[in-house]
Amino acid sequence: DVKVTQSSRYLVKRTGEKVFLECVQDMDHENMFWYRQDPGLGLRLIYFSYDVKMKEKGDIPEGYSVSREKKERFSLILESASTNQTSMYLCASRSPGGYQETQYFGPGTRLLVL
Amino acid sequence: GIQVEQSPPDLILQEGANSTLRCNFSDSVNNLQWFHQNPWGQLINLFYIPSGTKQNGRLSATTVATERYSLLYISSSQTTDSGVYFCAVSRPRGGGSNYKLTFGKGTLLTVNP
Repeated sequence: DVKVTQSSRYLVKRTGEKVFLECVQDMDHENMFWYRQDPGLGLRLIYFSYDVKMKEKGDIPEGYSVSREKKERFSLILESASTNQTSMYLCASRSPGGYQETQYFGPGTRLLVL
Repeated sequence: GIQVEQSPPDLILQEGANSTLRCNFSDSVNNLQWFHQNPWGQLINLFYIPSGTKQNGRLSATTVATERYSLLYISSSQTTDSGVYFCAVSRPRGGGSNYKLTFGKGTLLTVNP
């Protein structure tokens, strides 16, 4: 089974802190994604990476950056956390396309910025 | 960008009932997936169904791409079916971006015993 793990389930940070969220997948997938989920808004794509050191902005990249130094690991960075970044953050990796394409999600990190 | 609308936003059922969830999208797609998010937040892929019909146990899905909608059927619902059901799509386009999924806002399903 594909496993996607995230470094924390719950995180509390203060405004202005630098925050690192880490995601690791064990299936050698090339594509990985970071989403945020807010009530009433569904999932919105922040950034994705289609290979090591390759990244592309999603729909809401402002205030975030990412790092993909190794294939299995994709990190989301909040350079200076703000209260409007309080949210649920979900990481996913994508199996290759074709007959049965699937995105596999991690358990999520609930981030509270005070 | 492409718009994805799901209905109904909320649904409450008694155990054993059947239900149909709908996903409408505003443009042609080459990728459509249904996901279930359980009450603890874990998202699981249910179907990859850009067109046609698939079945998996009590769940089935149909996508009519020419009419830009997809339906998810849940039969003989169980309390473990509770959670949020998301539809997500992507449009055909070149380069490395043709697998960016756009999610609908979801349908919150509550199945009571």
